[in-house]
Formats: sequence, C-alpha cells, structure tokens
Amino acid sequence: KAGVTQTPRYLIKTRGQQVTLSCSPISGHRSVSWYQQTPGQGLQFLFEYFSETQRNKGNFPGRFSGRQFSNSRSEMNVSTLELGDSALYLCASSLSRDRTGYTFGSGTRLTVV
Amino acid sequence: EDQVTQSPEALRLQEGESSSLNCSYTVSGLRGLFWYRQDPGKGPEFLFTLYSAGEEKEKERLKATLTKKESFLHITAPKPEDSATYLCAVQGSNAGKSTFGDGTTLTVKP
Repeated sequence: KAGVTQTPRYLIKTRGQQVTLSCSPISGHRSVSWYQQTPGQGLQFLFEYFSETQRNKGNFPGRFSGRQFSNSRSEMNVSTLELGDSALYLCASSLSRDRTGYTFGSGTRLTVV
Repeated sequence: EDQVTQSPEALRLQEGESSSLNCSYTVSGLRGLFWYRQDPGKGPEFLFTLYSAGEEKEKERLKATLTKKESFLHITAPKPEDSATYLCAVQGSNAGKSTFGDGTTLTVKP
C-alpha cells in the first residue's frame, strides 16, 4: 500500500518567489492536512481539506494557500517567499476528519535564500 | 485554544533503562490524543490513539496511558533503535485539526 507522497523532497527558492508543493494521500483517505515544521516552532497547523473544501485554517498569513482536487490530491502554495518560510512542510492524510491519527509524508524541505 | 506541553525536551537512557515521557494538555472536549515517532529527515509515524481517561495502549516496548490532564509514554527496556523524537498531539472540539507538542528527543545508548 503506497504511503503519502510529497513532491518535491527538496526545494531552494529566492525571496519574493512563489512555490507550489504537492501531496498525494493514501488511496481512500479524503482528509488532507498540511503542517509546517521548524526547530523553533515545532509542528504548526496550516490547513485541512476534506472533499475539496478547506475545513480548517491555521494562523498563517494569506500568502499561504492550498487546494484539494477531486481525487483527494492536494497542493499548497506560498507566494512572496520570505526567509522565515524556510521549513519542512509536511502533508498528512487520514481516513476521516475525526478521532483518527494521521499518516504523514516525508515532507518537502523548503529553503528560501 | 488547545495546548500541549511535553517533557523532558531531551532524554538520554542506557539500553535497558526504562523511563517515561510526559505530555500535558489543555483542550476543550478531547476527541483524541495521539502519539507519534519521528526519525531525522522523515515525517512523523503514528503510534497510538487514546480517547478517554484510563485508557492504555501497548506496542512492543511502548505503553501509552491517559488521564484527564496528561498522557505518559512508558518505554520498557529500550534499545538503541528506539532513539527518535516522540510527539504528542491532541484533537479537541475542532475536528480535523491536531495540535502538537514540541516533542521529546530520546537517545538510547548501547
């Protein structure tokens, strides 16, 4: 059974650019969540999608956005990159929204220079 | 707002030396408490879900317990391969969102 697949694994971008990260959840999982992980802040919730609708959003600026497609695949976009956006971005999928643990991907390591 | 505090930040054990990791939480309407293990360069790996006070779950050398205010991850006779960061997370009244603690980094020396 394939796990959660995130692409690309590594990315280097320049300040001011924008970036799109991709996530393919486990087959049958309809809930997809995104987290940002940094050494100083730990895992911070970005947003959650279920059935192509954003159901929850974390405390991040509007530069961070996402979407989910009909096949449950999800993308997140960060516009006007800042140095502080350098982080590991983790995608997680689950069978349901409620009372269920996540299966995480290996993440996309984004470095902004 | 849901809050999770894990202690200690780091724990060094000798192989075979049992210990416990603590996760204190504040949440309105606990839907679930989750434990994950994260190895360097990888995403967290799901270990356990606990739903109500008094519940316990076991997996190999790991045992998770839950009270109304905290959860413990007991590690019995750890091995070097148990070295990792252990993360605790809670899901409160807001279904679909988990709040994570900062983790405990466990190092087991042979």
